[in-house]
Amino acid sequence: NAGVTQTPKFQVLKTGQSMTLQCAQDMNHNSMYWYRQDPGMGLRLIYYSASEGTTDKGEVPNGYNVSRLNKREFSLRLESAAPSQTSVYFCASRGIPGQGTGETQYFGPGTRLLVL
Amino acid sequence: KQEVTQIPAALSVPEGENLVLNCSFTDSAIYNLQWFRQDPGKGLTSLLLIQSSQREQTSGRLNASLDKSSGRSTLYIAASQPGDSATYLCAVRPAGGTSYGKLTFGQGTILTVHP
Repeated sequence: NAGVTQTPKFQVLKTGQSMTLQCAQDMNHNSMYWYRQDPGMGLRLIYYSASEGTTDKGEVPNGYNVSRLNKREFSLRLESAAPSQTSVYFCASRGIPGQGTGETQYFGPGTRLLVL
Repeated sequence: KQEVTQIPAALSVPEGENLVLNCSFTDSAIYNLQWFRQDPGKGLTSLLLIQSSQREQTSGRLNASLDKSSGRSTLYIAASQPGDSATYLCAVRPAGGTSYGKLTFGQGTILTVHP
């Protein structure tokens, strides 16, 4: 199992450009999450998807959109990138509570985004 | 709003020492608490998960305790090794059926174990 994979690993954008960060998991997990990590701010939840077909806002959703394409894939889109969105983005997934390690969240390796 | 604080922000110890990392949270209505490890430039790896009804969890040289009423958790690392050097984060999941596993993270403790 690859676990949680993210592409790209690193990206440089100019202000106003758009891009989509891809995330996929092969653990048959229901819930998926997007976080951003900034120095001094810790990890903050951007959006999450409790199950296929549903998405909800987290703590810092402004400037982002998400798509839960199917059970495996959860993408994050920046429509018009801003320097404030320079960050490291992590995708995570979680299984079914009460089953195996269902409460544990598994993280991808991250996407480092620089917006100039 | 739940706030999670980790003390100290950084810790440097010689190899072989036993050490304690601290995590505190402001709202005791939690479902569980997790400890993660993050190596530089990498993602997070789950170390231990403690349900709100539990007092502690152990995995190898790691022991995590939870005192929900006082809003505190500790991660104890026995006989530290240079390979333990990393950032350690704690995260809490709020209680309530609509939390969907959403986590609130502390800012982490950067641990350096020198030979």
